Amino acid sequence: GQQLNQSPQSMFIQEGEDVSMNCTSSSIFNTWLWYKQDPGEGPVLLIALYKAGELTSNGRLTAQFGTTRKDSFLNISASIPSDVGIYFCAGYAYSGAGSYQLTFGKGTKLSVIP
Amino acid sequence: GAVVSQHPSRVICKSGTSVKIECRSLDFQATTMFWYRQFPKQSLMLMATSNEGSKATYEQGVEKDKFLINHASLTLSTLTVTSAHPEDSSFYICSARAAGTQRVNIQYFGAGTRLSVL
Repeated sequence: GQQLNQSPQSMFIQEGEDVSMNCTSSSIFNTWLWYKQDPGEGPVLLIALYKAGELTSNGRLTAQFGTTRKDSFLNISASIPSDVGIYFCAGYAYSGAGSYQLTFGKGTKLSVIP
Repeated sequence: GAVVSQHPSRVICKSGTSVKIECRSLDFQATTMFWYRQFPKQSLMLMATSNEGSKATYEQGVEKDKFLINHASLTLSTLTVTSAHPEDSSFYICSARAAGTQRVNIQYFGAGTRLSVL
């Protein structure tokens, strides 16, 4: 099946710094989604990307759908303590038999040092 | 964004008992709902996909008789963990995909259910 390689696995940054994380795959995806998960909670959708090359912002967050449709990145500018959490990329692709499946990356754990 | 409600958020039960978890899409109709399991410090693992009015499709290695899924309406899916054992203790998360919209590829997640089997 499809696999997503998400990096970095974890990162520690100072408050105010910018953050960048990405996902790559050998497979082509139709849609890229970025989620954030706080401890003990379900993932919350941050940004959805639908077209190759699409660049979308949501406040301090910016994400792009790679032109090859095999990668995506998420940037967080001017990080604040509440940005702490695990960020997951997820890609939608055809999985056969008329269905599409969402594949998740392994997550990037972000820690922000005040 | 769309809201998915999952209940209960936490449940503790004795070994051998069954536990039912509910997942509701509150402000949209979901033709497809998904059930995930998440182990500590790991990503989400898809257990099964359910379409309203039909049998769920289980991922390889997931026991369908152990994890009963019912998707009786466009807004409700349930997961029943039958004869739960300590190894079933985990974080279970449901997800719903909107029907009849342009953005059908977006999945919205519930807040999860922490199951502890004693």
